[in-house]
Amino acid sequence: AQRVTQPEKLLSVFKGAPVELKCNYSYSGSPELFWYVQYSRQRLQLLLRHISRESIKGFTADLNKGETSFHLKKPFAQEEDSAMYYCALSLSRGGSEKLVFGKGTKLTVNP
Amino acid sequence: DTEVTQTPKHLVMGMTNKKSLKCEQHMGHRAMYWYKQKAKKPPELMFVYSYEKLSINESVPSRFSPECPNSSLLNLHLHALQPEDSALYLCASSHRRRTGENEQFFGPGTRLTVL
Repeated sequence: AQRVTQPEKLLSVFKGAPVELKCNYSYSGSPELFWYVQYSRQRLQLLLRHISRESIKGFTADLNKGETSFHLKKPFAQEEDSAMYYCALSLSRGGSEKLVFGKGTKLTVNP
Repeated sequence: DTEVTQTPKHLVMGMTNKKSLKCEQHMGHRAMYWYKQKAKKPPELMFVYSYEKLSINESVPSRFSPECPNSSLLNLHLHALQPEDSALYLCASSHRRRTGENEQFFGPGTRLTVL
């Protein structure tokens, strides 16, 4: 079965500390993975997609097919990074794509 | 216009009411989605429209009826809902592009309360 696992419901770090939000997936094909972020009272928005291998707001995520992981990392967390983070797997079905979300990790960056 | 808009922002309805949620995008996206999000939970897919045709229905009860009148508009018609249907209803849209580039753009949601 295709699924996304985010083992940490809550993660709390201090400003300036490194942060890693874990994501593991289960999928037999070639995965398409995304990280979405939801700041307080804002809409869900894309943060990163694995295919572009970019860094957004200092965050990076590398797809590790051997470990079936797509962890999100930032070397120095900022208070404005506090938000809910969802890892998502895109699945093709009937010519359309659907996103399967992990349960999310709420990140709190303390001053 | 690079946003997905949703109306209304909030909706309170009784179990016998009929109401509709509306979603609009003008980004030329040809796939549109309805999700349901309960508090502190991830979004759960309900429906997908591709080129104005329903392509995925995630076994959603018939009291929810989607409609895609044109490529920019998506409606969700509600009838005889139950209190447990109270949630944030999210609309999203995406291009139909190459693998790995089909990120979805989300609207702000409609907060629905069923009394």
